[in-house]
Amino acid sequence: NAGVMQNPRHLVRRRGQEARLRCSPMKGHSHVYWYRQLPEEGLKFMVYLQKENIIDESGMPKERFSAEFPKEGPSILRIQQVVRGDSAAYFCASSPLPDINTEAFFGQGTRLTVV
Amino acid sequence: QKEVEQNSGPLSVPEGAIASLNCTYSDRGSQSFFWYRQYSGKSPELIMSIYSNGDKEDGRFTAQLNKASQYVSLLIRDSQPSDSATYLCAVNGNSGGSNYKLTFGKGTLLTVNP
Repeated sequence: NAGVMQNPRHLVRRRGQEARLRCSPMKGHSHVYWYRQLPEEGLKFMVYLQKENIIDESGMPKERFSAEFPKEGPSILRIQQVVRGDSAAYFCASSPLPDINTEAFFGQGTRLTVV
Repeated sequence: QKEVEQNSGPLSVPEGAIASLNCTYSDRGSQSFFWYRQYSGKSPELIMSIYSNGDKEDGRFTAQLNKASQYVSLLIRDSQPSDSATYLCAVNGNSGGSNYKLTFGKGTLLTVNP
C-alpha cells in the first residue's frame, strides 16, 4: 500500500557494516510491524512497535538487530555488523489498531543485499 | 509452533478458468484470515479477509473458511494473466493473546496462461 513508506527500496552493504531501514506508517496508524522475507520463504514476523514502545520483539534475532519507533519520525530497523544471511526483503506494515480484525497494510519493502 | 501450510504449487491455469488456492493452519485459536497477493519483487497486497465460517465474495475472488477443519481457501474466477502472482495465506490471532501477529504460509505461485 502506497501509504506505508519505506526507504531505501534497495540497500547494499558489505559484511560488517550497519544497515538502517526506515518505515513511515500510514497516516493515522500508530502500530508498526516489521517482517522479513528470506528467499523462497514466507514472511516472518520480527517486531511490533507502538510510538516509543516495543510491544513484541519475539521474532527478532537476539543479537545485532534492534528496532525503534520514536515519538517523532519513522520507525527504524537497525542491523549491526551485517552478514550474508541478513540478505532479504524487509517489509513494514502498519495498522490503526492491533486487534484481531485489523488489516495490516505493507510498504514496498527494503531489499537488503549483503556482499 | 503455529504453522500455516499452503499447497506447494506452482499452479497453472488457463485464462478464464477458476484457480483454487488452499491453506491449512495449526492453531485452532486463530481468528482472522487473510489472503495477500505478491507480484515478483513487490510487496504483499491484501486482497481478501475473512473472519467467520462460510464464503465471502468480492468481485472475482471468493474466500472460504472452515474453522472446524482449520482450512481456508481462495477461489479466483475468470482468471486473468494479471492474476499471475504468488498468493500468501496469513493467519492472525490465537489463544495466546498475541492477536496482532500474522503467520504466513510460504505462498503458492499461480500462473494464468493466455
